[in-house]
Amino acid sequence: LAKTTQPISMDSYEGQEVNITCSHNNIATNDYITWYQQFPSQGPRFIIQGYKTKVTNEVASLFIPADRKSSTLSLPRVSLSDTAVYYCLVGDAEYGNKLVFGAGTILRVKS
Amino acid sequence: DARVTQTPRHKVTEMGQEVTMRCQPILGHNTVFWYRQTMMQGLELLAYFRNRAPLDDSGMPKDRFSAEMPDATLATLKIQPSEPRDSAVYFCASGLENQPQHFGDGTRLSIL
Repeated sequence: LAKTTQPISMDSYEGQEVNITCSHNNIATNDYITWYQQFPSQGPRFIIQGYKTKVTNEVASLFIPADRKSSTLSLPRVSLSDTAVYYCLVGDAEYGNKLVFGAGTILRVKS
Repeated sequence: DARVTQTPRHKVTEMGQEVTMRCQPILGHNTVFWYRQTMMQGLELLAYFRNRAPLDDSGMPKDRFSAEMPDATLATLKIQPSEPRDSAVYFCASGLENQPQHFGDGTRLSIL
């Protein structure tokens, strides 16, 4: 399973776009890139998943360059409620989506 | 929205006691995962099942931990005997092959 590296923490202000970049140099051909969000006293919540190029859903976008050795989670116009820990994971979706969580990025959104 | 349900949400017990944590995966999901989260170690994968069969439990201390799926609607994680170092939040997640996992809100376990 590929190891991921992401910043320990980031600060932002309400209304700004936040980009969290994750590196995964050893990503394998079959690996998908998945991002989760976790609030205190709750389980991680799925945000977005992608394999290559760009994926967008109602809450975020995921940008993956051609070499797939990194990925960037983009949160448009963050609010105070986006303050949470964000995890980047890679895992082979065809093998039960076994995932290894890293330390995550603590995002603090200020008013 | 369908959710993974974990019980109990909180458990406080004394060292040496047996602890059983339960998880009801989302109906139709065929993979189930157990994780443990602590401040020091973060989220660690303990075990996971596919179609009720254990696929990997290498993350679990075998001498005291056991994980089972008596049926498709119930997964259990047992600790016997429990120790203070087992204090953590235990999460269950379920999913389908090629789909993201969905997590429950965990069991916060305190061993005194």
